[in-house]
Amino acid sequence: IAGITQAPTSQILAAGRRMTLRCTQDMRHNAMYWYRQDLGLGLRLIHYSNTAGTTGKGEVPDGYSVSRANTDDFPLTLASAVPSQTSVYFCASSDSLAGVNEQFFGPGTRLTVL
Amino acid sequence: GQNIDQPTEMTATEGAIVQINCTYQTSGFNGLFWYQQHAGEAPTFLSYNVLDGLEEKGRFSSFLSRSKGYSYLLLKELQMKDSASYLCAVTDSNYQLIWGAGTKLIIKP
Repeated sequence: IAGITQAPTSQILAAGRRMTLRCTQDMRHNAMYWYRQDLGLGLRLIHYSNTAGTTGKGEVPDGYSVSRANTDDFPLTLASAVPSQTSVYFCASSDSLAGVNEQFFGPGTRLTVL
Repeated sequence: GQNIDQPTEMTATEGAIVQINCTYQTSGFNGLFWYQQHAGEAPTFLSYNVLDGLEEKGRFSSFLSRSKGYSYLLLKELQMKDSASYLCAVTDSNYQLIWGAGTKLIIKP
């Protein structure tokens, strides 16, 4: 079934630990995105990638890094987690950055940093 | 700055009609999206408007006025399963999606 998968589904993490959230899509979409969603706030873009090999910073990139080695995978890494990074993280993809760039979302990762 | 405004919460009755408004101020405009998000789930695409006017898709319709920076999502014949958050998002001049905080719609029998 075509779509986006994310792992893990949820995670409790001690502050200061390193964590990588995984995201894989099988729709051959060029663009991929990482968002965080916090209660009362809209989805906020962390990082994005227009195509394999390129990445860009979104609205809230500090404390996060990404890589895009191939079309399908777009992992998000927290180098040293802090409690303010407790959130629900969504990975998304779209066929292109421009035009009717409907974004398809993964199921999300619920991360708690203690 | 860029800003998307929509009501935090709305309540409606099963079988009725509800209109969810969205106003935006963004650097450029390349389209407006509406997404539906059920509690604990991912957002899913509902509609896209880039030209002024009304787009109808079954029980859901979306309207856009670019000159007013305004859109609304109209839901007809409300069903209990329509209880969800509805997210308005605008594509800016850099083709980045700017998201509103969402409107939580509560449907009562």
